[in-house]
Amino acid sequence: GIQVEQSPPDLILQEGANSTLRCNFSDSVNNLQWFHQNPWGQLINLFYIPSGTKQNGRLSATTVATERYSLLYISSSQTTDSGVYFCAVETNYGQNFVFGPGTRLSVLP
Amino acid sequence: ETGVTQTPRHLVMGMTNKKSLKCEQHLGHNAMYWYKQSAKKPLELMFVYSLEERVENNSVPSRFSPECPNSSHLFLHLHTLQPEDSALYLCASSQEGGGTNDEQFFGPGTRLTVL
Repeated sequence: GIQVEQSPPDLILQEGANSTLRCNFSDSVNNLQWFHQNPWGQLINLFYIPSGTKQNGRLSATTVATERYSLLYISSSQTTDSGVYFCAVETNYGQNFVFGPGTRLSVLP
Repeated sequence: ETGVTQTPRHLVMGMTNKKSLKCEQHLGHNAMYWYKQSAKKPLELMFVYSLEERVENNSVPSRFSPECPNSSHLFLHLHTLQPEDSALYLCASSQEGGGTNDEQFFGPGTRLTVL
C-alpha cells in the first residue's frame, strides 16, 4: 500500500515564527487533506488539496502531485496553532484515506 | 463544529462489558467511516460504509462490530475488548465514500479505556 511520511516529527516555535510542514507519499493520489488535531482530539479540516495551492488566512498549502509531496505553511504562528498536523491521502486505485504519522507542533508564548 | 457528532465522548469499560459507540452526521453525506487512533500510531481506518453497505473492513477483530442503519448514523458495537483496544475512536463522513473531490469530516471522537 501507499506510504505517507511527514516531516519534521516534532517542531517547537516561538510565537510569531513561520514554519513549513512536509508530507511525502509513495504513489499517485487523487485526494489529499491536511488536518489539525487539537489537544482534545478533534480533527479540524485545514485544506482539501489534491493539487495546486490554496490559502486560508495565515495558512497555505501546496501539493505537487507529480512529485508526490505536499507542503503546509504556517505564518505568524500563534499558541493556538499547537497540536498535531496530519496529512491524509487517497490513492488513484481506490485505497481509502491513509494518514501520515503527523507533525507535533508546539508554539511557545 | 464539523457536522459530525459522536457519543459518548469518554467511555471506561471492563473486558467483559458490551457497549456501543454512536456517530451521527448532519451533512447529507453518503459514506461514513470508523478510525482508531492509538498512542504513538497513525490513524487506522477500521470500517467504511457507503450507502449503508460495508465496503471496507481492514482486518479488524470481530470484537468490533459496526452497524449502519441509515446514511446518517453509524454505530460501533464493542464486546470482550482487550486493554490494548484503549484508544481514541474517530468517526468521519464524506459525500461519496472515496474518489476525486471526496473530503472527509471528522467527529470529536470517543476516548475509550478498557480496564
